[in-house]
Amino acid sequence: RKEVEQDPGPFNVPEGATVAFNCTYSNSASQSFFWYRQDCRKEPKLLMSVYSSGNEDGRFTAQLNRASQYISLLIRDSKLSDSATYLCAVNGWAGKSTFGDGTTLTVKP
Amino acid sequence: EAGVVQSPRYKIIEKKQPVAFWCNPISGHNTLYWYLQNLGQGPELLIRYENEEAVDDSQLPKDRFSAERLKGVDSTLKIQPAELGDSAVYLCASSFSAGELFFGEGSRLTVL
Repeated sequence: RKEVEQDPGPFNVPEGATVAFNCTYSNSASQSFFWYRQDCRKEPKLLMSVYSSGNEDGRFTAQLNRASQYISLLIRDSKLSDSATYLCAVNGWAGKSTFGDGTTLTVKP
Repeated sequence: EAGVVQSPRYKIIEKKQPVAFWCNPISGHNTLYWYLQNLGQGPELLIRYENEEAVDDSQLPKDRFSAERLKGVDSTLKIQPAELGDSAVYLCASSFSAGELFFGEGSRLTVL
């Protein structure tokens, strides 16, 4: 079993839809959590950090459930420009960042 | 502020040849990472440096891969000899105190 697992996808949604991705992690001692966005043939870029209390940035909401060891990303009112691969990353206490395999989202007109 | 700089962006070599990748992290970032990314998969850690010390190299195939980070700034990742299965994107990233990672554009290696 991989340390970080994501919904395999792909997700194909129409513009304006709401879509949610989940990510589970196996190490209960994990310290910090992130969502990255990766466009085709580009490097990953931070989308948002995930805080214990949950956090929102415009149309994006991230949540953490430590008891169940998963994080989620909710995208509301999807735009064509949201089409990308979304990677979750989990940092251990020693600073190691472990990534999931990503979930690909395609938003269609 | 300059981001993480990697070179070369693309490299095509024949199997059994050596190859080296270079990375210059963001100024002030003490942690430097080398990741390997295959198509359709997430980045997989090869080695992590805290300043000039390699603190996690458990996933680095040491029979053919080597890395160094002299003076705790830029870093080089070398493969010798390269195998067909090494074709991938090699990503360098840096962070300040193991927070969010900033990635370079990556070095895409094709081994023929």
